[in-house]
Amino acid sequence: GAVVSQHPSRVICKSGTSVKIECRSLDFQATTMFWYRQFPKQSLMLMATSNEGSKATYEQGVEKDKFLINHASLTLSTLTVTSAHPEDSSFYICSARDRGGENTGELFFGEGSRLTVL
Amino acid sequence: AQKITQTQPGMFVQEKEAVTLDCTYDTSDPSYGLFWYKQPSSGEMIFLIYQGSYDQQNATEGRYSLNFQKARKSANLVISASQLGDSAMYFCAMREEKGFQKLVFGTGTRLLVSP
Repeated sequence: GAVVSQHPSRVICKSGTSVKIECRSLDFQATTMFWYRQFPKQSLMLMATSNEGSKATYEQGVEKDKFLINHASLTLSTLTVTSAHPEDSSFYICSARDRGGENTGELFFGEGSRLTVL
Repeated sequence: AQKITQTQPGMFVQEKEAVTLDCTYDTSDPSYGLFWYKQPSSGEMIFLIYQGSYDQQNATEGRYSLNFQKARKSANLVISASQLGDSAMYFCAMREEKGFQKLVFGTGTRLLVSP
């Protein structure tokens, strides 16, 4: 199957700093990528839909100024957690759909990035 | 708005037995897709099986089958011949077929397979 890579897999930062997480589709082009957040023992909550070359679409309740999303190319989307605080500590997962794939339209997920804000 | 419900926070099954994980959904769209994903403790999301709303037959993928009952809006996952490696979180998800085709997840069921 298609491969989506996330980096970093783990990051620890001090409160008040900004953290960037990258999501790359390695062997396909992804017009649309999705960013999810998962708290311990909870489900994946969709944060935003990232579209190549345009502004991201955020879900209700997600602060767009807090979680900056950039989808500059068909293979890369980035999530920047600005001025991170301990409550932002979570598991962030990206996913992407192969724009040209002849498949069920399944999303391919990255490995996830665990953010810990001290 | 889409809604996915998984009513079983946890399930136990003995190795080699079959287990059914429940999932119900609610949508006003006539066209949608239903998915099951497995999430082991490592955190990765592993695609298991897909069912389209217009598919006439229940989807099957190896030991996984999806019991799709459209009128009841349920899409239960059946795992046959459970293995110890099946212990994980299982998420049911629904994709709307319009707009960005977002995938929305249920709350998940933790499956524990015992020897």
